[in-house]
Amino acid sequence: DTGVSQDPRHKITKRGQNVTFRCDPISEHNRLYWYRQTLGQGPEFLTYFQNEAQLEKSRLLSDRFSAERPKGSFSTLEIQRTEQGDSAMYLCASSEEPRGFAYEQYFGPGTRLTVT
Amino acid sequence: KNQVEQSPQSLIILEGKNCTLQCNYTVSPFSNLRWYKQDTGRGPVSLTIMTFSENTKSNGRYTATLDADTKQSSLHITASQLSDSASYICVVSGYGGSQGNLIFGKGTKLSVKP
Repeated sequence: DTGVSQDPRHKITKRGQNVTFRCDPISEHNRLYWYRQTLGQGPEFLTYFQNEAQLEKSRLLSDRFSAERPKGSFSTLEIQRTEQGDSAMYLCASSEEPRGFAYEQYFGPGTRLTVT
Repeated sequence: KNQVEQSPQSLIILEGKNCTLQCNYTVSPFSNLRWYKQDTGRGPVSLTIMTFSENTKSNGRYTATLDADTKQSSLHITASQLSDSASYICVVSGYGGSQGNLIFGKGTKLSVKP
């Protein structure tokens, strides 16, 4: 257990429905990251926050995706009008603000989304 | 294009044996390289992080090496255990502060058999 928690762990939804995932980072970490991982692939970066500010978004984050971190603590990732191609593991990670070249990211257990 | 290639794609070894996983990258300029272990259905867990000035780093039975000149890294697992069965992911970070500069490999799936 890295200290990063995600909820739910599994979500099955029908195409066209909206889903929301939650991530609780390690409490003293001010950076929070979202990744998507499909079967047999490595994680792909989606977006990250420093405190409540969303500082970067990947082009993978279409306009159906929105992420928030309203109080600089937990974060939510919402997918609207889900498509079958959204089926994946959604990973959250957190870190302290980098002070050098290398900084540790701690990953949560992920939310497995299946769109039927 | 920045890429991270891992080999082999999968590997089966007997418990107690050693193995070495490979990672080649084309990310430039290079900042650091990480190895993660990911159990099935779980998030990745960091094993090592190496900057460009480091050649080797150990974490218990795991030893990572880095050759920044040839852009190659390896992860050596000594005296494998059944619990080592997992995917091992190589991640390379470029300079610039962009999180999009963190390039993940597809991983090597290791199975340790009794």
